[in-house]
This record gives sequence, structure tokens and C-alpha cells, in this order.
Amino acid sequence: GNSVTQMEGPVTLSEEAFLTINCTYTATGYPSLFWYVQYPGEGLQLLLKATKADDKGSNKGFEATYRKETTSFHLEKGSVQVSDSAVYFCALSDLGGGGSNYKLTFGKGTLLTVNP
Amino acid sequence: NAGVTQTPKFQVLKTGQSMTLQCAQDMNHEYMSWYRQDPGMGLRLIHYSVGAGITDQGEVPNGYNVSRSTTEDFPLRLLSAAPSQTSVYFCASSTGSGRETQYFGPGTRLLVL
Repeated sequence: GNSVTQMEGPVTLSEEAFLTINCTYTATGYPSLFWYVQYPGEGLQLLLKATKADDKGSNKGFEATYRKETTSFHLEKGSVQVSDSAVYFCALSDLGGGGSNYKLTFGKGTLLTVNP
Repeated sequence: NAGVTQTPKFQVLKTGQSMTLQCAQDMNHEYMSWYRQDPGMGLRLIHYSVGAGITDQGEVPNGYNVSRSTTEDFPLRLLSAAPSQTSVYFCASSTGSGRETQYFGPGTRLLVL
């Protein structure tokens, strides 16, 4: 079946530091890959996505590149801000196991805290 | 355009009680789903629907029922609540079959005593 593995948290950084959150996946087909962000007390919202190999998703200074050869979709940001403090989820959407409907599979989430 | 709405925001139940978590969307999305979020577990799919009248099980369906009589609404029913169902529940919707961007509601926090 499909699975997503992302780096364990929590991650604590100082403002303006460089961020990397690793994400690797296992899928049976050709998945779309996503990063969702959950701010305290809120639901998840899409941060960025990529639908095919070598695509780069980007938003709000965050980037991730779909690497099929390494089955990875690592999230990066060059200079984090206090407002980036949140839980980040890597996810994939695929048919998975030959089913007829796409399903979204999430990683366990990584808590990021950015200190001033 | 309210997006995805969920009620209630917070609920306390006793073991064995029943309740319905409401979810509604006003974006005319065909695909809707329910997830539960537990510490260290990420989000796990409970049930999903690809259109009115069509539902299917996700990863953790036991103890939950769903129905989809309209495009807008997708309620989740707990027939006999158990402490193991203490969790935060999120409803989501999307335009397509689940490969598209999911739009999440604000969540319902459920405590079963």
C-alpha cells in the first residue's frame, strides 16, 4: 500500500534560519504529492503541490521538488519567520492497490517552532 | 462562500452515547471525506464519498457510519461512542476524486469519557 514518511519533530529554529523537512513516499502508481500546513487551532490548508516527476511546487517562500528517483518531496524555505510556526504534513494521492478512487495518505506531521 | 463548515466545534460524550458530526460545503465539490487526527498518527481516512449516494470505507471505518444524500452534506455518525474515538475529526472536500487539492473544515474535537 501507499505510505508517507516524514522527519520526526519537533523542529525548533531561530527566525531567518533555513528549513528542511524531509519526506519520502511509497506508492504503487503515479501519485500527486502535497504539503499541507496546520496552524494552531485550525484545519489543514494546502501549502503546495506537485503532480508529476521533476515538478516544483512553491508558495509563501516554501518549495518542494517531486523526485521520482529518490521517491522524495522535501520541503524547504530559505528564511523562516515566527508566523511559519505550525504542523506540516506531507501527503500523497494515488489510486493505491488498484482501487478505483484516489485516496490521500498523510505522513505523521512535523511540528515547527520558530523563535524570534 | 463559507467553504467547509463543521459542527460542533467541541463535544463531550459518555461511552455508549451516539452523536452525529455535521459537515457541509458550499463549493459544489463531489468528493468529501472524513479524517481523524491523533497525536503521532497524522490524519487517517475514516470514510469518503465520490458523490451523492456513494460512500466507501477508508483506513479506519469501524465504529462510524456515513451517508451522502446531497452534494453539500456529509455527516459522520458514531452509533455507540468509545474512549478510543476520542480524537479531532476533520471533514474535507475537493473537486475531483481525491487527487485534487483538499479543502478542510476547522475540525471537531471529541472527548469520550
